[in-house]
Amino acid sequence: DAKTTQPPSMDCAEGRAANLPCNHSTISGNEYVYWYRQIHSQGPQYIIHGLKNNETNEMASLIITEDRKSSTLILPHATLRDTAVYYCIVRVSNNQGGKLIFGQGTELSVKP
Amino acid sequence: DAGVTQSPTHLIKTRGQQVTLRCSPKSGHDTVSWYQQALGQGPQFIFQYYEEEERQRGNFPDRFSGHQFPNYSSELNVNALLLGDSALYLCASTILNPGQTSGNTIYFGEGSWLTVV
Repeated sequence: DAKTTQPPSMDCAEGRAANLPCNHSTISGNEYVYWYRQIHSQGPQYIIHGLKNNETNEMASLIITEDRKSSTLILPHATLRDTAVYYCIVRVSNNQGGKLIFGQGTELSVKP
Repeated sequence: DAGVTQSPTHLIKTRGQQVTLRCSPKSGHDTVSWYQQALGQGPQFIFQYYEEEERQRGNFPDRFSGHQFPNYSSELNVNALLLGDSALYLCASTILNPGQTSGNTIYFGEGSWLTVV
């Protein structure tokens, strides 16, 4: 079973920030939080990941709470092309490189 | 730099037949995983290959098997196809660093759509 909980759907106005929450209350100390998104009929696209500190790249920002039990993915200026299912994943770690356990994700609809 | 590539993109098979799907990992990657995604569901992990051996396996029957070649490319084989095997099959690749438990990003291909009729 997935170790994360996300709202099933969210709406966001075009040009506004989209804040996608994720709960991962049972995360272990050496597990990373990964975010992927999947646009309809395409393969999942890597967005960002982090362990403890907040992270930012050209696509998004990741805010992880101090207790690491939850995180928020921020798309600073959402566009219509950001409409997708967003998956928050806690990386199952072992010496074999780890596998990803996907939950149901959040379906983000960006509206004009 | 080519990403993860998969073939074919779409195919239709009949119940009972066998299918082979192919994957080339992202340049420099040595570990390949396969996922099955049914309509409306998140991807489900099938298995992972490293050094031409199956290293991890999800909850899938023995009808699902795989292979990794010396050039790190991989195949997924499904025997005795069932209607329920209709899904998007995703290949993902990463670099394995022995002793490092996490942090290597996993990249996905665009998938192979399999329809069983």
